[in-house]
Amino acid sequence: GDSVTQMEGPVTLSEEAFLTINCTYTATGYPSLFWYVQYPGEGLQLLLKATKADDKGSNKGFEATYRKETTSFHLEKGSVQVSDSAVYFCALSDRIAQFYFGTGTSLTVIP
Amino acid sequence: GAGVSQSPRYKVAKRGQDVALRCDPISGHVSLFWYQQALGQGPEFLTYFQNEAQLDKSGLPSDRFFAERPEGSVSTLKIQRTQQEDSAVYLCASSLGYSADTQYFGPGTRLTVL
Repeated sequence: GDSVTQMEGPVTLSEEAFLTINCTYTATGYPSLFWYVQYPGEGLQLLLKATKADDKGSNKGFEATYRKETTSFHLEKGSVQVSDSAVYFCALSDRIAQFYFGTGTSLTVIP
Repeated sequence: GAGVSQSPRYKVAKRGQDVALRCDPISGHVSLFWYQQALGQGPEFLTYFQNEAQLDKSGLPSDRFFAERPEGSVSTLKIQRTQQEDSAVYLCASSLGYSADTQYFGPGTRLTVL
């Protein structure tokens, strides 16, 4: 069945460091891929998405490229800020309503 | 504008009690989703409504779980005879269209079964 595997945390970085959170997926069809973010005390929010191979999603300085050949959708940011501290979830959707989430990666950015 | 709201935010139940969790989606949103998020895990799909029709309930873990959306707006997730393994955060999300591609999440209800 469909699934998402993402890098385990927690991840701790210094401000302005480069961030990569790995995500790979298994799907029978042609899924859409997503990154969601959950800031402390808040609900899940869509960060970015890509709907087909080679698409790049981007938002707030974060980027992820849909790589069909490696079944990956790694999240990157060139220079993290303290305000990026949150839990990040990779997800895929292969059908109209079915969403599959990874287990989440906790990121802490220290000044 | 108002987002998705859920109530109660926290619920403590004794094992064997029935609970009802409410979700108020964004006004006019056609689709509504329920997820269960165990501690340290990602959300897991429970069920999906399109207006008042429950089109997919494949994620409901047992027949103790029941969801409804009788008028195509507010939804209630009911858990009968709660068990300790039901302890989790229950998330509701809604989307304007017929897919989950752009879904907006509520803050969740944290259920603790003692």
